[in-house]
Amino acid sequence: NAGVTQTPKFQVLKTGQSMTLQCAQDMNHEYMSWYRQDPGMGLRLIHYSVGAGITDQGEVPNGYNVSRSTTEDFPLRLLSAAPSQTSVYFCASSYSSGTSGRGEQFFGPGTRLTVL
Amino acid sequence: GENVEQHPSTLSVQEGDSAVIKCTYSDSASNYFPWYKQELGKRPQLIIDIRSNVGEKKDQRIAVTLNKTAKHFSLHITETQPEDSAVYFCAATTTAGNKLTFGGGTRVLVKP
Repeated sequence: NAGVTQTPKFQVLKTGQSMTLQCAQDMNHEYMSWYRQDPGMGLRLIHYSVGAGITDQGEVPNGYNVSRSTTEDFPLRLLSAAPSQTSVYFCASSYSSGTSGRGEQFFGPGTRLTVL
Repeated sequence: GENVEQHPSTLSVQEGDSAVIKCTYSDSASNYFPWYKQELGKRPQLIIDIRSNVGEKKDQRIAVTLNKTAKHFSLHITETQPEDSAVYFCAATTTAGNKLTFGGGTRVLVKP
């Protein structure tokens, strides 16, 4: 199993550009999430999904869109990049909820995004 | 929503000593509390977790305690080793959607 994969690893954008961060998992996990991690800070939830066709907002959803057309893929779209979106983005997946006993979240390697 | 606070933000210990990291949460409905370790430049990885029906859990040199009345939980690392140097994050969730709220992290440095 490749686990959770993310592309690209690094990206530089200009203000106003749009792009999609890719995330895929091959563990047949229902739950997938996107986090951003800023220097010296914890991880903040952007959007999450509890299954194909179902998404919901996290703590910091503004400026980002997601969709979940398949169990495997959960792309994150930046609509119009801003310098405040400079961050490291992590995708994560889990088999089920943390309360069920199989909720360990497996993280991807991250995408380091810089917006100029 | 849930708010998780984590202390201290940095912790320096001598090799072989113990390290303790404390977290408090705001939502009394929270019932799942994982701890993640993140080495420099790498992804977070789960090291231990605890559910609300348990007060303490151990796994070799690490242990977690939970006090639901006071709404706080702690990570204990005994006999610290240089490879324990990393950033540690606590988290909490209430929902079946695994909507985790993370603490701000603790940078642990184990000095040989």
